[in-house]
Amino acid sequence: EAGVTQSPTHLIKTRGQQATLRCSPISGHTSVYWYQQALGLGLQFLLWYDEGEERNRGNFPPRFSGRQFPNYSSELNVNALELEDSALYLCASSPAWPPLHFGNGTRLTVT
Amino acid sequence: QQQVKQSPQSLIVQKGGISIINCAYENTAFDYFPWYQQFPGKGPALLIAIRPDVSEKKEGRFTISFNKSAKQFSLHIMDSQPGDSATYFCAARLNTGTASKLTFGTGTRLQVTL
Repeated sequence: EAGVTQSPTHLIKTRGQQATLRCSPISGHTSVYWYQQALGLGLQFLLWYDEGEERNRGNFPPRFSGRQFPNYSSELNVNALELEDSALYLCASSPAWPPLHFGNGTRLTVT
Repeated sequence: QQQVKQSPQSLIVQKGGISIINCAYENTAFDYFPWYQQFPGKGPALLIAIRPDVSEKKEGRFTISFNKSAKQFSLHIMDSQPGDSATYFCAARLNTGTASKLTFGTGTRLQVTL
């Protein structure tokens, strides 16, 4: 069984640009979760998508957005990038709660 | 109320020793408490989990102890091995029926020395 796959593995952007991160869940999993892992801050919940709908959102500004496609893959968009957006962005999928299965993340660096 | 406090931030244990990581929470509505293990360059992987109606769960060398009245839970790694060197995160789930999310602790970096 293929795990959760994320692309790209690394992404370097300039302040003010937009970043798009992609996630493919495990086959059969309908829920996708996005987390931000900044140094020393643990994992901060960003977004939860299920069956194509946004179900829950963490305490992040609206420039963090995303969507889930009919094949359950997901995209995270970060607009107007700021230096503090530099972090590891983790995607996780779940067939039904629990557990969460995480991908290896996208390392976003904003310069 | 959504916080999960984890300690210590880092831990060095000799091979064969016991590693203990502690977490505390405030929200009594949390209903599921997993521990995740993360190696460098990898995403977190579920290690072991417990529900609040159980006081202890053991899987191999890994044990969760849960104290509902104190709102604390801990991970014990018996006979710690160098391969256990990783970052460990505790977490707690809040399920409101229409929404569900995991709140994570800030992580403990464990180093097991020879």
